[in-house]
This record gives sequence, C-alpha cells and structure tokens, in this order.
Amino acid sequence: SQKIEQNSEALNIQEGKTATLTCNYTNYSPAYLQWYRQDPGRGPVFLLLIRENEKEKRKERLKVTFDTTLKQSLFHITASQPADSATYLCALPAPFYGGSQGNLIFGKGTKLSVKP
Amino acid sequence: DAGVTQSPTHLIKTRGQQVTLRCSPKSGHDTVSWYQQALGQGPQFIFQYYEEEERQRGNFPDRFSGHQFPNYSSELNVNALLLGDSALYLCASSLFFGARYGYTFGSGTRLTVV
Repeated sequence: SQKIEQNSEALNIQEGKTATLTCNYTNYSPAYLQWYRQDPGRGPVFLLLIRENEKEKRKERLKVTFDTTLKQSLFHITASQPADSATYLCALPAPFYGGSQGNLIFGKGTKLSVKP
Repeated sequence: DAGVTQSPTHLIKTRGQQVTLRCSPKSGHDTVSWYQQALGQGPQFIFQYYEEEERQRGNFPDRFSGHQFPNYSSELNVNALLLGDSALYLCASSLFFGARYGYTFGSGTRLTVV
C-alpha cells in the first residue's frame, strides 16, 4: 500500500532563514502532490499543488519541488517568520477508482517552529 | 463566502453511545469527504460522498456511516463508540472532478469518548 513519510516530526529554525521540509513516498506514482498547513485545533489549509510533470512551483515565499525519480517532494519557506509556525502536511491522492478522484493520503506532518 | 462549517465543535460521549457530526460544504462544492485525525497523526480518510452516494471508503469499520443531502451537506454517524474513536473529525469539501485543486477543510469536531 502507499506510504508517505515526512522527514521529521519537528523543525526549529531562526526567523529569516529558509525552512525545508521533506516528503517521501513509496509504492506509488501519484499524478500530483499537495501541501497543507495546519494550526493547532484547526483544519488543514491548502497551500500548493504540484503535478508530476512539474519540477517546481512557487507561491510568494513558498516553493515546492517534486522529484518523481526519487519519489520525494521538498517544501521550502524562504525568509521565514514566527507566523509561519504550524504543522505542514504532505498529501497524495490514492489511486483512482472508476474515474472518481482518489481520496487524499496524508503524512504525519512536520511541526515547524520559527523563533524570533 | 462561507467555507466549510462543522458542528458541533466539541463533543463528549460515553463508550457505547452513538454520535452524529454535521458538515456544510463550501459554496459551489459538490463533494464531501470525512477524515479522522488522532493526536500527532495526519488525517485518515473515512469516506467520500458525491451525489448523495458513498463513492469511496477508507479502512474504517461499518460503525462509521454517513449521508449526504440534496443541498450537499453531510453527516457522519458513529455507533457503539470506543475510546479509540476519540479524535478530531474533519470534513473536507471539493469538486468531484476538481479535487486535484485542493480540499477545503472545516475546523473539525473534537470528539472525546470516556
């Protein structure tokens, strides 16, 4: 079955630095990958989607890469701020069935703490 | 434009009881998916509803059931509650043929089983 691993449970960095989070997956070749942000006690918020034929995607201070050979995605936050502190989740669609959209399989998440 | 609305926000139930959670999807979305999130874990897929039918189901027992109404809102029912059912239950809405554009999640219902 499909497996998703996010490199670490927690990442602590200094304000202004670049945070890099890793998502690895096995037993699967997804058509796309998504990243979500989750604050304590809240639902995940969609950030970015990257397709299998895209190497890199950017949105403001966020950058996502997708290496289908390594089966890995990297999520970068440049010029990090304390407000970026949250848990970041990587998600892949499960294989499609009968033409419907596959449900999302989530990693456990990485808790990012940005210190001032 | 309201996003996904879930009710109640918190709930405490006793083992063996039954519970119903409710979800109103984002305006324009036609598909509702339910997820269970245990503390320190990522959300786990329970099931998905589209056109008032269950379209996909995750690895959850039959004690978990659901319903979707003509206005796209949805309910999640859990029977014979176990202590292990304590979790944050998340509702996510999307377009059935546009889920790749991201799900919109509600803030969840925190269920505690004692």
